[in-house]
Amino acid sequence: DAKTTQPPSMDCAEGRAANLPCNHSTISGNEYVYWYRQIHSQGPQYIIHGLKNNETNEMASLIITEDRKSSTLILPHATLRDTAVYYCIVRVATTWQAGTALIFGKGTTLSVSS
Amino acid sequence: GAGVSQSPRYKVAKRGQDVALRCDPISGHVSLFWYQQALGQGPEFLTYFQNEAQLDKSGLPSDRFFAERPEGSVSTLKIQRTQQEDSAVYLCASSASFSVGGADTQYFGPGTRLTVL
Repeated sequence: DAKTTQPPSMDCAEGRAANLPCNHSTISGNEYVYWYRQIHSQGPQYIIHGLKNNETNEMASLIITEDRKSSTLILPHATLRDTAVYYCIVRVATTWQAGTALIFGKGTTLSVSS
Repeated sequence: GAGVSQSPRYKVAKRGQDVALRCDPISGHVSLFWYQQALGQGPEFLTYFQNEAQLDKSGLPSDRFFAERPEGSVSTLKIQRTQQEDSAVYLCASSASFSVGGADTQYFGPGTRLTVL
């Protein structure tokens, strides 16, 4: 089962910031928080990941609380093309022994409208 | 510099037929994963390869499902005697390494949509 909890859906106006929350209260110290999104009829797309520090890249920012029990993905200026299902995933750091699969929950369906 | 590619993109099979789905990972990627995504659900893990070795097949739903990666590059997922419940999107993902203490990122292909009639 997924170790994260996300709201099933959210709406956002085009040009505004989209803030997507995720709860992961049972996260372990060696587990990363990953965010992927899936646009209709496409494969999941990697967005960002972090361990305990806040992270930013060209797509989004990831804010992780100090106790690491929750996080927020921020899309600073949402566009219509950001309409997708967003998945928050916790995952142990890979060791040399084997890769670890991503365990997807149901995610949050973000609808961006003009 | 292409990403992960999968073929065919769409496959329609009659119940009982065998199907083969192909995945071309990003060149040089060591790890390769297969996932199954039912309609309205998130992807679910099927199996994992590290180079040519299949290290985890715990997600394969039955012995009708078989995957291989003989040369550590291209992978094929085969489903024998297809059933209607096999209808789903089959996703392939690859990642660059199994770095110690790191966080390898998986990159997904577009998927193959299988419909079993």
